[in-house]
Amino acid sequence: NAGVTQTPKFQVLKTGQSMTLQCAQDMNHNSMYWYRQDPGMGLRLIYYSASEGTTDKGEVPNGYNVSRLNKREFSLRLESAAPSQTSVYFCASSTPTGRRTEAFFGQGTRLTVV
Amino acid sequence: GQQLNQSPQSMFIQEGEDVSMNCTSSSIFNTWLWYKQDPGEGPVLLIALYKAGELTSNGRLTAQFGITRKDSFLNISASIPSDVGIYFCAGQLQGAQKLVFGQGTRLTINP
Repeated sequence: NAGVTQTPKFQVLKTGQSMTLQCAQDMNHNSMYWYRQDPGMGLRLIYYSASEGTTDKGEVPNGYNVSRLNKREFSLRLESAAPSQTSVYFCASSTPTGRRTEAFFGQGTRLTVV
Repeated sequence: GQQLNQSPQSMFIQEGEDVSMNCTSSSIFNTWLWYKQDPGEGPVLLIALYKAGELTSNGRLTAQFGITRKDSFLNISASIPSDVGIYFCAGQLQGAQKLVFGQGTRLTINP
């Protein structure tokens, strides 16, 4: 019963490097989200996807791109990493549009940009 | 920016005490969710609320959806050491798809 799976769990990047954070869910959810968590800031929405083929900006989208590859997978890409992107990143998925919304989270990816 | 105000930001209590935290907003929500996050883990859903005035319990936890639909509270009775963590409220704005989160309440329990 995997739920939401994120890879990698830890990553260290040098400034300017690029990388993609992967997320997959096996609950047949339509909606998927990427959040970042910084001390004292709670969870801030980066991007979300209400359904396969659609993506929308959240609260803090600058410096990120996303791809909703299929219904299961939603990836987050940092094209040119910056120290300000050091954070813990969480992927989540939720039940279909129009029905009761309950989001479930992955274990997180701890990213450090040096 | 954040559309939810969660308070208090932190709590330091003795084991056995009751805990109360809340979230407020100037906007109307049609869903309120309460999560707990343990260190190094992702948030885990505790309670979901869908109707104004709804009161729901999960063991020692009780949460309510405010009548105005602009607030929610979470109570924990007779706290125990494993209640330590960060508690988040989350809401789905009326007519919106995405969830917004509060800043979290960090709970510390002294044995």
